[in-house]
Amino acid sequence: NAGVTQTPKFRVLKTGQSMTLLCAQDMNHEYMYWYRQDPGMGLRLIHYSVGEGTTAKGEVPDGYNVSRLKKQNFLLGLESAAPSQTSVYFCASSYPGTGNQPQHFGDGTRLSIL
Amino acid sequence: GDSVTQMEGPVTLSEEAFLTINCTYTATGYPSLFWYVQYPGEGLQLLLKATKADDKGSNKGFEATYRKETTSFHLEKGSVQVSDSAVYFCALGNTGGFKTIFGAGTRLFVKA
Repeated sequence: NAGVTQTPKFRVLKTGQSMTLLCAQDMNHEYMYWYRQDPGMGLRLIHYSVGEGTTAKGEVPDGYNVSRLKKQNFLLGLESAAPSQTSVYFCASSYPGTGNQPQHFGDGTRLSIL
Repeated sequence: GDSVTQMEGPVTLSEEAFLTINCTYTATGYPSLFWYVQYPGEGLQLLLKATKADDKGSNKGFEATYRKETTSFHLEKGSVQVSDSAVYFCALGNTGGFKTIFGAGTRLFVKA
């Protein structure tokens, strides 16, 4: 029972490098989300998607891009990594609903930018 | 806009002590309310939820009651265990959109 799977689990980048974080879910969820978690700041929404082929900005979208080409996958890209993007990144998914559906989270990607 | 405020941590308790973590919210309409738990090195997982006023969510000995008159959803457990050590997040389901609003999290340490 995989649920939400994030790859990679850890990564160290140098400033200016690019990378893509992959999120895959096997629950046939319509909605998917990317968050970052920083000490003392809780979870902040980066981008989200309400269906295949759709994406929307969250509260901290700058420096990130996303794509949802397949329903089960949601990719988060960093085109030119900056030290301020050092964080733990979480992907989540849920069924559609008027805010009453819980989100299911992956175990996170720990990203360090040197 | 909608928001969630929860008590700052860390909260440190001895095993078998009573736990309360306060959570209050601001929202328009009638949001659903959630508590999530995050164990070290893992993602958040749903602990319990309540979808309307006076509903009580419960799971694993934890309880929370949706109080519309006080806009609160406090988490309680009668007797905590060392294994309950984690970060707890109160959250609100945004009825007007697609997002969940999370509180800042409260870290709980339980000593043997």
